[in-house]
Amino acid sequence: EAAVTQSPRSKVAVTGGKVTLSCHQTNNHDYMYWYRQDTGHGLRLIHYSYVADSTEKGDIPDGYKASRPSQENFSLILELASLSQTAVYFCASSDRGQISNERLFFGHGTKLSVL
Amino acid sequence: SQWGEENLQALSIQEGEDVTMNCSYKTYTTVVQWYRQKSGKGPALIILIRSNEREKRSGRLRATLDTSSQSSSLSITGTLATDTAVYFCATDAGGLSGKLTFGEGTQVTVIS
Repeated sequence: EAAVTQSPRSKVAVTGGKVTLSCHQTNNHDYMYWYRQDTGHGLRLIHYSYVADSTEKGDIPDGYKASRPSQENFSLILELASLSQTAVYFCASSDRGQISNERLFFGHGTKLSVL
Repeated sequence: SQWGEENLQALSIQEGEDVTMNCSYKTYTTVVQWYRQKSGKGPALIILIRSNEREKRSGRLRATLDTSSQSSSLSITGTLATDTAVYFCATDAGGLSGKLTFGEGTQVTVIS
């Protein structure tokens, strides 16, 4: 079974502070994603990457940066955290390069509270 | 049903009953994926149906897809308390990005 590990599991940050969320996968997948989930809502894509050292903007990239230093690691960076970024963040990976392998494997999520 | 700006839908049913939830999508998709998210966990794929399929079954799960009306449904037969979760549909426009667009989700609570 594919494994995606996120750290930390939860974090409290102050408004205006810098926050880094980390994701590590041991699946040898090329694709990695960061999604945001607000209470009572679905997931929205922030950034994604299909190769190391390259990232792409998703549907809601404003206020977030991403970094993919290696195939296994993908970070989400909030340079100036704001109250509106309080949410649960999910990292996912997929082996999309292979035919019929579109499924995403998600981590357990990071609960971020910005105060 | 899921999609758009609707808030999370919620259903409460008795254990053993069947449940069906619907999903409508706005743009072309090559596949509809259904994910289940249990409390405190990340979503996990439970069934996937491609655009050239009308129905797909997996155990107690049945997914349908109608590309003409841009809608999909997920049915669970003989529900168990362990089926309590939020169920999301997700569409995939294809191409290199692999971007999935998720619906708002349906909260299913199975009462034993």
